[in-house]
Amino acid sequence: AQSVTQLGSHVSVSEGALVLLRCNYSSSVPPYLFWYVQYPNQGLQLLLKYTSAATLVKGINGFEAEFKKSETSFHLTKPSAHMSDAAEYFCAVRAPASNYGNQFYFGTGTSLTVIP
Amino acid sequence: NAGVTQTPKFQVLKTGQSMTLQCAQDMNHEYMSWYRQDPGMGLRLIHYSVGAGITDQGEVPNGYNVSRSTTEDFPLRLLSAAPSQTSVYFCASRGTAKNIQYFGAGTRLSVL
Repeated sequence: AQSVTQLGSHVSVSEGALVLLRCNYSSSVPPYLFWYVQYPNQGLQLLLKYTSAATLVKGINGFEAEFKKSETSFHLTKPSAHMSDAAEYFCAVRAPASNYGNQFYFGTGTSLTVIP
Repeated sequence: NAGVTQTPKFQVLKTGQSMTLQCAQDMNHEYMSWYRQDPGMGLRLIHYSVGAGITDQGEVPNGYNVSRSTTEDFPLRLLSAAPSQTSVYFCASRGTAKNIQYFGAGTRLSVL
């Protein structure tokens, strides 16, 4: 079975500071991993994805994430936070032969606040 | 360039009423899904479809029905709304060749 754990439902950083959002997964097979961002009153938008190629994945808006198999982690980082980064972030996993028609399992989300 | 379109954006129902949430995509995607989003619980899969005429239950299917008569449309039906169904509902679609899900803007449903 697959699952995703996001540590910290709320994270606050100062503008210009490092952003680190944590995600740990469990999967019986090498998974595909994703980060989505949700701005207020909007749907989810893909930030980046890992699909067994390079372990360091770069996404949009300066975000990147590193797949660490030994730690079963896929943490999201950005070197310098911007006010426009304030949003809800979701980590998701999909195993190549998962239940529910290869569907996605989402974490509970982390709300990022950027302090001026 | 519509992507995934959900209607309505907002809806208020009384307990026991029925309604259909509409979802349409114009990307010729095989996979379509319905999720509900509740505070502190992330997104939970309600129903999904892997192609026209094929649907199946997700994690939280009780109280919801779906059908997939065309590739483009995947409506979600609430037959007898309950306050526990107050939530934000998202429709998503993806093709078989890519691992990217595209989401609609959501429907905010309140059941009184």
